[in-house]
Amino acid sequence: SFELTQPPSVSVSPGQTASITCSGDKLGDRYASWYQQKSGQFPVLVIYQDTKRPSGIPERFSGSNSGTTATLTISGTQAMDEADYYCQAWDSNTVVFGGGTKLTVL
Amino acid sequence: EVQLVESGGGLVQPGGSLRLSCAASGFTLSAYWMSWVRQAPGKGLEWVANIKQDGSEKYYVDSVKGRFTISRDNAKNSLYLQMNSLRAEDTAVYYCARDARGYGDYPRYYYYMDVWGKGITVTVSS
Repeated sequence: SFELTQPPSVSVSPGQTASITCSGDKLGDRYASWYQQKSGQFPVLVIYQDTKRPSGIPERFSGSNSGTTATLTISGTQAMDEADYYCQAWDSNTVVFGGGTKLTVL
Repeated sequence: EVQLVESGGGLVQPGGSLRLSCAASGFTLSAYWMSWVRQAPGKGLEWVANIKQDGSEKYYVDSVKGRFTISRDNAKNSLYLQMNSLRAEDTAVYYCARDARGYGDYPRYYYYMDVWGKGITVTVSS
């Protein structure tokens, strides 16, 4: 079955760039999406179709997807970006989520 | 305002049943695929099931097949999840979500959830 693998945690200093990876077999042949979930809240879509940002999502959030890895990049990371981030893709009539990455802004 | 509101959660004994509801507002439910996604305490997101606009296609994660049934009533702007034979491992927050899907640059296919409810807690325990 298709699986998505994320690092459990990533740390970044305020103002720096955070990169969160998501790996899966031939992931670049599919579209990846990313969700942000702050503590005690519901998930929010931050990137869809690899690179697109929904209305209201800051420009500092960007995405890429090639080969076996999709990457969520947060430029100029702010304290408010501290959250869990999940990648997601579609496989044979099922939705697959990565295990999630906890982003800590130190 | 586009909104999804879940209801029907609670505490149930192992082997019991529960029916979750999701009320949609601010958009035409009949135009969208819809999903249920759950999150066990301290764990990640797990997709549970989805349903086509007219209810003619339904898909489930293997762990709930034969026990859970997703359905919808577009006239009532509502989505449902009937959960039977509940187990302790079904304990989770259950989210209702609106799906977006289609072909981008063919044959690549996109599928994502663009609107989420706040979630409802289901606890299976004796």
